[in-house]
Amino acid sequence: NAGVTQTPKFRVLKTGQSMTLLCAQDMNHEYMYWYRQDPGMGLRLIHYSVGEGTTAKGEVPDGYNVSRLKKQNFLLGLESAAPSQTSVYFCASSFRPRQGRLGEQYFGPGTRLTVT
Amino acid sequence: QQPVQSPQAVILREGEDAVINCSSSKALYSVHWYRQKHGEAPVFLMILLKGGEQKGHDKISASFNEKKQQSSLYLTASQLSYSGTYFCGTGLTGGFKTIFGAGTRLFVKA
Repeated sequence: NAGVTQTPKFRVLKTGQSMTLLCAQDMNHEYMYWYRQDPGMGLRLIHYSVGEGTTAKGEVPDGYNVSRLKKQNFLLGLESAAPSQTSVYFCASSFRPRQGRLGEQYFGPGTRLTVT
Repeated sequence: QQPVQSPQAVILREGEDAVINCSSSKALYSVHWYRQKHGEAPVFLMILLKGGEQKGHDKISASFNEKKQQSSLYLTASQLSYSGTYFCGTGLTGGFKTIFGAGTRLFVKA
């Protein structure tokens, strides 16, 4: 099993450009998440999905869009990149809650994005 | 809403013990702990549910006091491999997501 994979691993964008980050998992997880990680700020949730065809906003959703057309894939889009979106982006997945307990999350290796 | 972790950073010598605390202003149902080594993805350590349970993972254990809305991670007889950033994540009753703290950087030196 590959677990959670992310593409690309690195990317440099100019302000105003757009791009899509792809996350794929082969563990049949229902839930998927996109986080950004900035120095000293931990992991901040951008968007998440509790199932195919559903998405919801997290803590810092502005400037991002997501789609989950297939259970195994979760796409994060930046329509018009800004320098403030320079960050490391992590995708994660987990099973749906069981007995009210959120499942452990499995993280992808991350995408390092620089916007100039 | 983000849980508060303390301390922000700690330096240990191999064999020493450490405690990392995580507190929330909201009523919690669960607390998750993850460790992230430099340049890598976070890795799950353990989940604690309300009820005051404790759990252990090798020489790393944790407790959860839902009345105080606090959790503590205990690292005993630290090893060089324990170095990294530790994150707590909190889950609310009926919630769908985990909110992570800013992290505690732990450095173990020989």
